[in-house]
Amino acid sequence: QQQVKQSPQSLIVQKGGISIINCAYENTAFDYFPWYQQFPGKGPALLIAIRPDVSEKKEGRFTISFNKSAKQFSLHIMDSQPGDSATYFCAAPANQAGTALIFGKGTTLSVSS
Amino acid sequence: DTGVSQDPRHKITKRGQNVTFRCDPISEHNRLYWYRQTLGQGPEFLTYFQNEAQLEKSRLLSDRFSAERPKGSFSTLEIQRTEQGDSAMYLCASSFGAGFEQYFGPGTRLTVT
Repeated sequence: QQQVKQSPQSLIVQKGGISIINCAYENTAFDYFPWYQQFPGKGPALLIAIRPDVSEKKEGRFTISFNKSAKQFSLHIMDSQPGDSATYFCAAPANQAGTALIFGKGTTLSVSS
Repeated sequence: DTGVSQDPRHKITKRGQNVTFRCDPISEHNRLYWYRQTLGQGPEFLTYFQNEAQLEKSRLLSDRFSAERPKGSFSTLEIQRTEQGDSAMYLCASSFGAGFEQYFGPGTRLTVT
């Protein structure tokens, strides 16, 4: 069974700054790690995902860094904007069938203008 | 809009009543998932369908919960004899084939009074 621990619980960043959110996982048998972004009253939206055959994946201002030996992956938001203010969740497959996702508890990001 | 849709978006019910939620996945997505999200937490997996077959159920899915996907298209989640602890956001997600990318709907917010 997979466990996912996310930190920090909340984060305040100035506009234009870098937001960094971290996740640690336990089971190394799985090979897909997504990040979701959720605004209040909305469902989670898939933001970016990585498979551990690469150490980094970048999409626009969003980058996932993956450290397989440390069993950690992180989300970096460059040039953070007020519109990025949301709750971010990391996730990992609960099993090798890749059906259920196990989510972290979330990080609430506030970007001040 | 070709995303996942859910109906209703909000439901207020009295304790002991039955409620039913509907989810329409992205067209041609053969996998459908139900999650539950309480305030300040990440989504928690409830159940998973591949086409019309319900292949996995979480221990969170008590006997009062039942889900169906009769023709492999839309799905319904029914909660019988609702309890205050059932108050949560019920999220539906879908994915295609063996891909891990799950796309969520806007959710149904259930309030049990």
